[in-house]
Amino acid sequence: DTEVTQTPKHLVMGMTNKKSLKCEQHMGHRAMYWYKQKAKKPPELMFVYSYEKLSINESVPSRFSPECPNSSLLNLHLHALQPEDSALYLCASSQGRQEETQYFGPGTRLLVL
Amino acid sequence: GESVGLHLPTLSVQEGDNSIINCAYSNSASDYFIWYKQESGKGPQFIIDIRSNMDKRQGQRVTVLLNKTVKHLSLQIAATQPGDSAVYFCAESSTSGTYKYIFGTGTRLKVLA
Repeated sequence: DTEVTQTPKHLVMGMTNKKSLKCEQHMGHRAMYWYKQKAKKPPELMFVYSYEKLSINESVPSRFSPECPNSSLLNLHLHALQPEDSALYLCASSQGRQEETQYFGPGTRLLVL
Repeated sequence: GESVGLHLPTLSVQEGDNSIINCAYSNSASDYFIWYKQESGKGPQFIIDIRSNMDKRQGQRVTVLLNKTVKHLSLQIAATQPGDSAVYFCAESSTSGTYKYIFGTGTRLKVLA
């Protein structure tokens, strides 16, 4: 089973709203990732959690706040977003240090009005 | 700077023909390469990967070739089917580093009936 699930599938929010994206995997993976993908572009890395600790933050604006409550869950808290933040947000996971393959979820399509 | 690029942004092939999608990389330290397929509205789906100690790897209807001399990666799809229509991304990483992926720009494969 190589399934990563994400909720919600679609999200529309205003610039003053607070919302959260959720990601879950039950593969025993110890590394989890958030990516942002604009139309017709490759995914851009935002954050990496390794063993539930934030190991990479790709200079993402503070209006995006990641959280890893446990090894199976990854959240992305959104606050005061801008219209240009509208994109597909992808979660991925990988086994960790000894395994490189990242498995992606279906994504959350976010529209900021 | 370091980059992974593709020669053709769109590739059209007749159903039943073989497809070849190319990718160039520039980081000589990269030792892990992976191909993803992304259908419209979905997350990237793992297809096949290859490590730098190999030059060829085969899967079901797919073959990845790695030419380290010219820093070139290709994905071959045999007997292309309508369901193969998607955007294909290559990615590279260095397993001695942070496991960050560098994605190529993507190639759209269109299968003609």
